[in-house]
Amino acid sequence: EAQVTQNPRYLITVTGKKLTVTCSQNMNHEYMSWYRQDPGLGLRQIYYSMNVEVTDKGDVPEGYKVSRKEKRNFPLILESPSPNQTSLYFCASSTNVAQETQYFGPGTRLLVL
Amino acid sequence: GQSLEQPSEVTAVEGAIVQINCTYQTSGFYGLSWYQQHDGGAPTFLSYNALDGLEETGRFSSFLSRSDSYGYLLLQELQMKDSASYFCAFRSNRDDKIIFGKGTRLHILP
Repeated sequence: EAQVTQNPRYLITVTGKKLTVTCSQNMNHEYMSWYRQDPGLGLRQIYYSMNVEVTDKGDVPEGYKVSRKEKRNFPLILESPSPNQTSLYFCASSTNVAQETQYFGPGTRLLVL
Repeated sequence: GQSLEQPSEVTAVEGAIVQINCTYQTSGFYGLSWYQQHDGGAPTFLSYNALDGLEETGRFSSFLSRSDSYGYLLLQELQMKDSASYFCAFRSNRDDKIIFGKGTRLHILP
């Protein structure tokens, strides 16, 4: 089954404690993204990657890191989380062709105390 | 900058037709996409317009006019299960960023 998986689905943490949210896709997609979704603000792209070892900043990259060492995995790293990073996070993948149908993971709900 | 504008809420009656508009600002993009998101769920792809005109997929259709920087999603024969948020989005052909609108919440009345 074609899918994007994220872990964990829910996470409560404290300010400053480093965390990683994993994302994996089994569709051999080149393009992968991380988004955060906040009420009234829609989906905002944090980082994206067009292929292995290629990553670029989206619209809201501050406070986040990513890596793309393998095609299927695209982890999101919060080195020192802060309360303003409390949000719903989605990972997504697509091919690199112009008609990009994005497939989204189920989401990770993060609360930073 | 690059942005998309859509109404925050739309209300329609079951069985009717509703149109959700999207105006955008960009220096260049590949095409306009539409996604549906139910409460508590992940966005799912609905439709894509690379060229001007109408694309039809079952009860859903999407339209794009590049000269007017405008598109819309048309939902016909509305069903209660269509109650959801709808997002328009594009991928910039300058830097490959993907930008989403803030979403339109569709309320359906019985």
